Amino acid sequence: NAGVTQTPKFQVLKTGQSMTLQCAQDMNHEYMSWYRQDPGMGLRLIHYSVGAGITDQGEVPNGYNVSRSTTEDFPLRLLSAAPSQTSVYFCASSYSRQALDHYGYTFGSGTRLTVV
Amino acid sequence: AQSVAQPEDQVNVAEGNPLTVKCTYSVSGNPYLFWYVQYPNRGLQFLLKYITGDNLVKGSYGFEAEFNKSQTSFHLKKPSALVSDSALYFCAVREGGGSQGNLIFGKGTKLSVKP
Repeated sequence: NAGVTQTPKFQVLKTGQSMTLQCAQDMNHEYMSWYRQDPGMGLRLIHYSVGAGITDQGEVPNGYNVSRSTTEDFPLRLLSAAPSQTSVYFCASSYSRQALDHYGYTFGSGTRLTVV
Repeated sequence: AQSVAQPEDQVNVAEGNPLTVKCTYSVSGNPYLFWYVQYPNRGLQFLLKYITGDNLVKGSYGFEAEFNKSQTSFHLKKPSALVSDSALYFCAVREGGGSQGNLIFGKGTKLSVKP
């Protein structure tokens, strides 16, 4: 059971480039989220999805795009990378929003992104 | 709007001593409160939760937390710290009672346990 798998683990981008951070889970979890972690700011929610075909914005969605074509995958797209997007990105999942309250998120190991 | 505050950036404790990591929150309705732990170069792991019921909740690795409604606090505690408890700890909150509010995380507190 792999849990939540994020790729790549590290990435360096130039300003203006685009890329996709991959997130896949094999636990049949409906609820998936993307967070960014910055020093002194904790984790901030970028986008989330309550199931295939349904996505919504979190606290800091600007500059990011998501889609959820399958239950397993929830990729995060950076449209035109900026230095302010330098961060560690975490994908997290839960069986449902209700299950999240009782069992918590399962987090991936993160993607460390640097934009130069 | 809901929010959570962790007033200490770092907590230093000697091994074997009790530890407390502080958290205060603000929500308009009933709070659902959580603690997560992050070890170096890893994702966060769920430690414990308060939804309703007893104010003292127990979680993984011997940790517990006390919900105090009058002080709007949810401090994380452990009677005897271990060096292996050294990590980054996050408090999180969301408004419960049927609300669809998202989970809001604090800034994190670094716990350092010295031998």
